[in-house]
Amino acid sequence: QKEVEQDPGPLSVPEGAIVSLNCTYSNSAFQYFMWYRQYSRKGPELLMYTYSSGNKEDGRFTAQVDKSSKYISLFIRDSQPSDSATYLCATGRGSGTYKYIFGTGTRLKVLA
Amino acid sequence: GAVVSQHPSRVICKSGTSVKIECRSLDFQATTMFWYRQFPKQSLMLMATSNEGSKATYEQGVEKDKFLINHASLTLSTLTVTSAHPEDSSFYICSAPRSDRESTQYFGPGTRLLVL
Repeated sequence: QKEVEQDPGPLSVPEGAIVSLNCTYSNSAFQYFMWYRQYSRKGPELLMYTYSSGNKEDGRFTAQVDKSSKYISLFIRDSQPSDSATYLCATGRGSGTYKYIFGTGTRLKVLA
Repeated sequence: GAVVSQHPSRVICKSGTSVKIECRSLDFQATTMFWYRQFPKQSLMLMATSNEGSKATYEQGVEKDKFLINHASLTLSTLTVTSAHPEDSSFYICSAPRSDRESTQYFGPGTRLLVL
């Protein structure tokens, strides 16, 4: 079993839709959870960062962590064509100086 | 936000040559940096952890003599792909944690290596 599982997609949605992206992880020791956005041929860009369980909102983006089920989610409201990218979840035991485990990434396409 | 740069952004070289990739943290100091490799449509694979002032820590299966890492200062880490072969062609990305903020990792823009 992989430490982090993520559906690779692709996921196609119409503009304005609410997008739900999800990952599961296996290690209950993981405390830090991140979502990165990666455009083609570019480095990943940090979108959301959460510690332990709960929700975090930033503009159109909401990250949720449910440690009891080892499930992390990213919601994108009012999706735009510019949101089309690959979204990577990541998790780790400690803060940034610790190794992160990345999901395979979900390719999202928002259709105009 | 934090800025991490990489140079070069892309490089094409002949088989057997060595290629050096630089990773710099531009507005913060990073005692630790990470080097990743990414194949098309695949996720990031951690290659090694670069530590300022000490030897790098390599992940299982990564040849340390093949991928030389030097963390020369608090803002610079270099990855040298020695005697590159076509199978080394990939997208190499570095990241650095910023401890004075969220202490999470910020990534460079990546370096695309093509070995002919």
